[in-house]
Amino acid sequence: DAGVTQSPTHLIKTRGQQVTLRCSPISGHKSVSWYQQVLGQGPQFIFQYYEKEERGRGNFPDRFSARQFPNYSSELNVNALLLGDSALYLCASSYREPNEQFFGPGTRLTVL
Amino acid sequence: AQTVTQSQPEMSVQEAETVTLSCTYDTSESDYYLFWYKQPPSRQMILVIRQEAYKQQNATENRFSVNFQKAAKSFSLKISDSQLGDAAMYFCAYRSVLEYGNKLVFGAGTILRVKS
Repeated sequence: DAGVTQSPTHLIKTRGQQVTLRCSPISGHKSVSWYQQVLGQGPQFIFQYYEKEERGRGNFPDRFSARQFPNYSSELNVNALLLGDSALYLCASSYREPNEQFFGPGTRLTVL
Repeated sequence: AQTVTQSQPEMSVQEAETVTLSCTYDTSESDYYLFWYKQPPSRQMILVIRQEAYKQQNATENRFSVNFQKAAKSFSLKISDSQLGDAAMYFCAYRSVLEYGNKLVFGAGTILRVKS
């Protein structure tokens, strides 16, 4: 079975632009969480979705938004990019709460 | 809010030796989960071991074991018979049982280097 997949692998944007990151959970997993990992730091929780409903939101500005689709895949959107948004964005899926989370390889976002 | 602290930015161990990574956390809750995750240079985060706070027995997974001291809010990871493949960033993480959702709170991580 395929693990959690994320696209794209790498992304370069300029300040002020908008970006959409995508995540496909493990087949059968209904919960998707997003984390931001700045270089040299631990991941920070951004959002969690379960059965297409938002279940949790971290301390991130409204420029960050997400959604989950009927097939349980998810998108993370970031508007008005800042240099500080440069990070590795990790997606994690689990069958349901509060099961073990399985992480994807991440999307490396660079904002210039 | 819960916090997780890993006070060792970097650790080194000789192959086949034992190393212990430290983690402390702060919470007012009595029931919760604690985890150790491994993140190799390939970036894929992998669960190493988990501990449920209501269980007094320390969790063990092959060469990996934890020393869970609930009163001291300490959760250290011991890696025995270290192998080159153990080299990675290790994160300690906390998850509340009471809070809605599946949020993990991570520490800053410890880089483990394994010398041959």
